[in-house]
Amino acid sequence: QKEVEQNSGPLSVPEGAIASLNCTYSDRGSQSFFWYRQYSGKSPELIMSIYSNGDKEDGRFTAQLNKASQYVSLLIRDSQPSDSATYLCAVNRGTYKYIFGTGTRLKVLA
Amino acid sequence: GAGVSQSPRYKVAKRGQDVALRCDPISGHVSLFWYQQALGQGPEFLTYFQNEAQLDKSGLPSDRFFAERPEGSVSTLKIQRTQQEDSAVYLCASSLVRLGGNRETQYFGPGTRLLVL
Repeated sequence: QKEVEQNSGPLSVPEGAIASLNCTYSDRGSQSFFWYRQYSGKSPELIMSIYSNGDKEDGRFTAQLNKASQYVSLLIRDSQPSDSATYLCAVNRGTYKYIFGTGTRLKVLA
Repeated sequence: GAGVSQSPRYKVAKRGQDVALRCDPISGHVSLFWYQQALGQGPEFLTYFQNEAQLDKSGLPSDRFFAERPEGSVSTLKIQRTQQEDSAVYLCASSLVRLGGNRETQYFGPGTRLLVL
């Protein structure tokens, strides 16, 4: 079992819809959770971080964390074609070391 | 510079060649990371520096990989006797403070795409 698991996709959603991206992790000691966006051929860019159970909203993005279920998700409202990218989930156990998932490729269809 | 820079952006090496990849972190950033990202995968941790000290090199795949940051700013990742399985994008990231609190944002460079023939 991988430490951080994501469905590789592609996840296709129509423009204006809600895109829901999911991530599970295996280490119950994980403390910090991050979503990065990576456009093809580019470097990862942090879009959301979350540290406690519940929802965290930032603009069109909402991160959701459920530590009991070891599950973190990212919702993108009013999806735009420019949101088409790979979304990487990263988990930190309280040190400098981040563990990344393989990423979910999102395609927003115009 | 405004962000993390890496050079070269692309490198083609013949199997058995040595390569050196450079990372210029954001000025003043204490922490520096190297990651390896294979096609279709997420970044895999290679090594971590706090200033000039290499605190963790547990992710380096073999003793052919070596990293240094002698003055606590620029870092170099060296790969000796490159093999085809070394082909990947090598990402450098830096953050302002040491990551004991695990909430500090990492800023990634554009990466060096290495192809070993």
